[in-house]
Amino acid sequence: GAVVSQHPSWVICKSGTSVKIECRSLDFQATTMFWYRQFPKQSLMLMATSNEGSKATYEQGVEKDKFLINHASLTLSTLTVTSAHPEDSSFYICSAPGTAGITDTQYFGPGTRLTVL
Amino acid sequence: QQQVKQSPQSLIVQKGGISIINCAYENTAFDYFPWYQQFPGKGPALLIAIRPDVSEKKEGRFTISFNKSAKQFSLHIMDSQPGDSATYFCAASFDYKLSFGAGTTVTVRA
Repeated sequence: GAVVSQHPSWVICKSGTSVKIECRSLDFQATTMFWYRQFPKQSLMLMATSNEGSKATYEQGVEKDKFLINHASLTLSTLTVTSAHPEDSSFYICSAPGTAGITDTQYFGPGTRLTVL
Repeated sequence: QQQVKQSPQSLIVQKGGISIINCAYENTAFDYFPWYQQFPGKGPALLIAIRPDVSEKKEGRFTISFNKSAKQFSLHIMDSQPGDSATYFCAASFDYKLSFGAGTTVTVRA
């Protein structure tokens, strides 16, 4: 149980275009999901908290107009990178809190590799 | 600003040996400390986790030692296997928000 999926797993786009990444909790409901960004050989940095039915909250330094988050249902959150540029190329990972015995346990998706040309 | 400091950056261990990774934190509001294992191109997978009211937790070959007064915790991987070669991240959580350490790349030589 507690499986989180992401789609697509890899996307290449041209500079200036927008890209949408989906994060789904497959076997549990998640009123909250988190979006992280990971550059090569670096750690995960929290970008924003996605809240079902309300606005996302963004970490300091993250442009909310560039990274649009929509938590459409209890099992789906989407991250849209608008007007993507090469510096947005990164590994984007979502997570959701599960309830598999230990509270606060976060289950991560497999990640989405974004390459902006 | 890294809220969780992790060391070493990398380590090499022989098969059957012990890998030790250390982490330290400052924010005493953190109340949950997980360790994640990540393979290249994959998302992190939860390995083991501990709360600050427990000093040690063992699951199979993985053990977390936690020192609340020193605000330090560590991961011990016993009987290291080549399949353990991966990057390990410690993390600290408050209100579900995770702060990650910088990561440790572990290489297990056969």
